[in-house]
Amino acid sequence: GNSVTQMEGPVTLSEEAFLTINCTYTATGYPSLFWYVQYPGEGLQLLLKATKADDKGSNKGFEATYRKETTSFHLEKGSVQVSDSAVYFCAEIMDSSYKLIFGSGTRLLVRP
Amino acid sequence: DSGVTQTPKHLITATGQRVTLRCSPRSGDLSVYWYQQSLDQGLQFLIQYYNGEERAKGNILERFSAQQFPDLHSELNLSSLELGDSALYFCASSVGWRGTDTQYFGPGTRLTVL
Repeated sequence: GNSVTQMEGPVTLSEEAFLTINCTYTATGYPSLFWYVQYPGEGLQLLLKATKADDKGSNKGFEATYRKETTSFHLEKGSVQVSDSAVYFCAEIMDSSYKLIFGSGTRLLVRP
Repeated sequence: DSGVTQTPKHLITATGQRVTLRCSPRSGDLSVYWYQQSLDQGLQFLIQYYNGEERAKGNILERFSAQQFPDLHSELNLSSLELGDSALYFCASSVGWRGTDTQYFGPGTRLTVL
C-alpha cells in the first residue's frame, strides 16, 4: 500500500533558525498532500495543504511545495520560534480514497 | 479550534470494560472519520461514515464499532478493552467523502486501560 516517509526526529533548532522537515510519498497519480501539526497535549491541526503538482501550500510562515518529480512535500520555515515546538505529520490521500496516510511524525524542539 | 468536538477528553477504565467516545463534526460536514494514535502504530484510520452510512473500514477491531446519528454526531464504541487499546482516539470531519475534501480533526480522547 501507499506510504509516507518523514525524516526521523527529534529536530532541535535554535530560535530564528531555518527549518526543513523532509517528506516523501509513494502513491502514484496525484494525491492531495497535507501537513498537520500536533502541539503538546493537543489534537491535530491542519497546517497547510496542496492538491496538485507544483502547488505551494503556506500558513503561519510555513511552506511546502508539491514536487511530483521527486514525490516530495518538504516543510520549510525561514525563522522558527519557540512556539513552533510540536510534532509535525505529513499525510497523503488519493481523491478516490477515504483515509489519510500519515507519516510517523517529526518532533521539532526550538530552543530560545 | 477546528470546530470538531470530542468528549470526553480523558477516559480511564479497566480491562474488559466498554466505553463510548463521542464526536460532533463541524457544522455542515457530512463525513466523520475515526483514527487511533498509538506509540507503536502511529496514526491509523479506523472507520468513516458519510451522512449516516458506513462508507469505509480500516484497521478496526471487531470489538470496536461506530455509528453516525441523524444529527451527524458519531460514537465509537470500544468493548472488551485490553491494555493495548490505550491510545489517543481522534475524530475528523469533512464536508464530503472525496479524498480532496480536507479532514479537520478534533482534540482527541485519551483512553487509558488499566
